[in-house]
Amino acid sequence: QSALTQPPSASGSPGQSVTISCTGTSSDVGGYNYVSWYQQHPGKAPKLMIYEVNKRPSGVPDRFSGSKSGNTASLTVSGLQAEDESDYYCSSYAGRSWVFGGGTRLTVL
Amino acid sequence: EVQLVESGGALVQPGGSLRLSCAASGFTFSSYWMHWVRQAPGKGLVWVSRINSDGSSTSSADFVKGRFTISRDNAKNMLYLEMNSLRAEDTAVYYCAAGDGHAKKYWGQGTLVTVSA
Repeated sequence: QSALTQPPSASGSPGQSVTISCTGTSSDVGGYNYVSWYQQHPGKAPKLMIYEVNKRPSGVPDRFSGSKSGNTASLTVSGLQAEDESDYYCSSYAGRSWVFGGGTRLTVL
Repeated sequence: EVQLVESGGALVQPGGSLRLSCAASGFTFSSYWMHWVRQAPGKGLVWVSRINSDGSSTSSADFVKGRFTISRDNAKNMLYLEMNSLRAEDTAVYYCAAGDGHAKKYWGQGTLVTVSA
């Protein structure tokens, strides 16, 4: 049950796009289409942003999108806005367990 | 309005026990798998345990097996986490979360557990 690998930080200017990667193994990310992404502002609870690799819950802006290739999933935030500055965590089902990534702090410059 | 409200967090000595509770409202609690996820101070999210919708099946992370027990009472819309043999490394904010498929759709605000002498 090793954590998924995310870059510790990412950044972009308002209006730009940024992509955050999430690398696992064939036992988690690569083995299931059950990757989800969570946004967490400081001191707040996580919020579901993407589920099942590329689906958006109701209310999540379409600026947020997800994809997967092999053992690596990605979250892309297009048209960056100031309120997107936050921590982002990926997660994957791993067969009777779930695993999170270490988190990526997204900074809007 | 969906609400998940955790309680029971406290300062406890190493080797001690604690029972966390999570009160659910605003959604059909009995239809959802439920999870506990923790976050040590300044660290990332870590999945702890899950229970299926009727309470007949559970699974837990290796680091809590034999020490933590997840349970639920669908009649009361309550989720629990019984924690025994607590260690300093169990210090964290513990979140309950409602699972929609394999994603955690709803989250509580968390309750802080501190294990220290």
